[in-house]
Amino acid sequence: QSVLTQPPSVSGAPGQRVTISCTGSSSNIGANYDVHWYQQLPGTAPKLLIYGDINRPSGVPDRFSGSKSGTSASLAITGLQAEDETDYYCQSYDSSLSGVVFGGGTKLTVL
Amino acid sequence: QVTLRESGPALVKPTQTLTLTCTFSGFSLSTDGMCVNWIRQPPGKALEWLARIDWDDDKYYSTSLKTRLTISKDTSKNQVVLTMTNMDPVDTATYYCARGNGAAAGTDFDYWGQGTLVTVSS
Repeated sequence: QSVLTQPPSVSGAPGQRVTISCTGSSSNIGANYDVHWYQQLPGTAPKLLIYGDINRPSGVPDRFSGSKSGTSASLAITGLQAEDETDYYCQSYDSSLSGVVFGGGTKLTVL
Repeated sequence: QVTLRESGPALVKPTQTLTLTCTFSGFSLSTDGMCVNWIRQPPGKALEWLARIDWDDDKYYSTSLKTRLTISKDTSKNQVVLTMTNMDPVDTATYYCARGNGAAAGTDFDYWGQGTLVTVSS
């Protein structure tokens, strides 16, 4: 059971927009700790996609965007492409656990 | 160019101690604000943060694994070592080291190693 809750799966057709939620609590996202998002292709290490809630590292397409409100954060992907079909994880910090926490991961399927 | 690479045994027996080394380049762990973290991922499961060591030798551990973990660094060799005692089959996972992008408690991990799969079996 992960501290941050993500839907196990989401799907969308090519060209559509999908969002992946990351729900926490008052000791992590609700305490205004940064939320970061990673994309993990099969058999590879996670790749930083969004940092500090809303920022994209250099090289990440602007089709990917992040937002945060209250105890939740979201990753939005617009103009879905076949190559987006993979796993996504959110990450934050939890003051009760005094440590970094990850979401359980979401598998994105492009229909 | 920042790179990290994990090394260590692919197979350990239950109750043994695991020692993993992260060798990195492109940054120095003696620079203010730098940190290196260990994260693991059991097959088909989610990521789990294990430990972190800072440029000033401050160390942080997962609450649930704290009694079994030790993290250390050798700045001159650009290496970070993680030891985990009393290994169990449930510890079978790919172990990653990753650079923390700053000194904040909840910093992001901007560079990752390729990971090393460790299987715990007799």
